[in-house]
Amino acid sequence: RKEVEQDPGPFNVPEGATVAFNCTYSNSASQSFFWYRQDCRKEPKLLMSVYSSGNEDGRFTAQLNRASQYISLLIRDSKLSDSATYLCVVSTGTASKLTFGTGTRLQVTL
Amino acid sequence: EAQVTQNPRYLITVTGKKLTVTCSQNMNHEYMSWYRQDPGLGLRQIYYSMNVEVTDKGDVPEGYKVSRKEKRNFPLILESPSPNQTSLYFCASSLMSGNYGYTFGSGTRLTVV
Repeated sequence: RKEVEQDPGPFNVPEGATVAFNCTYSNSASQSFFWYRQDCRKEPKLLMSVYSSGNEDGRFTAQLNRASQYISLLIRDSKLSDSATYLCVVSTGTASKLTFGTGTRLQVTL
Repeated sequence: EAQVTQNPRYLITVTGKKLTVTCSQNMNHEYMSWYRQDPGLGLRQIYYSMNVEVTDKGDVPEGYKVSRKEKRNFPLILESPSPNQTSLYFCASSLMSGNYGYTFGSGTRLTVV
């Protein structure tokens, strides 16, 4: 079983739609959680950290469920510019060890 | 501007010819790391460093070396590159443990023929 698992997609959604991605992790000792965004052939960029209480940043909402060991990302009112691959990232608590999922691809269309 | 700078961006080389990919950050980050990204496998950690002269292996260290003589620089060395090291490489740095995520360089696309 992979340490971090994501549905690879692609998720094809129309502009304005709401879309949600889930990610599961296997290491119960994981302490820090992130969503990164990666555009084709470019570097991953931190989208948001995920906190136990859940957190929101504009149209993006992240949730963490420690009991079930999954993380979610909700994107509301999708824009064409949201088209990218979204990487779920988990850390055991030190920056030395980040484990990346293989990513979920989102394509937003007109 | 706070950034991680990698060079070169693209490199085509022949099997066995030693090469170095440079990485430099201007954010005074303690942690630096190298990843490779391959289709279907995601990002896999090669080596990481928690500070000057402190380095350790990641998940896929075979065929690579690193050094951390200065806080800002963390070069990746391929002593004898092989075709299975053809990949997209990213250097990344972080301020402290865990909670702030990593800042990535723009990547180096390496082809070994």
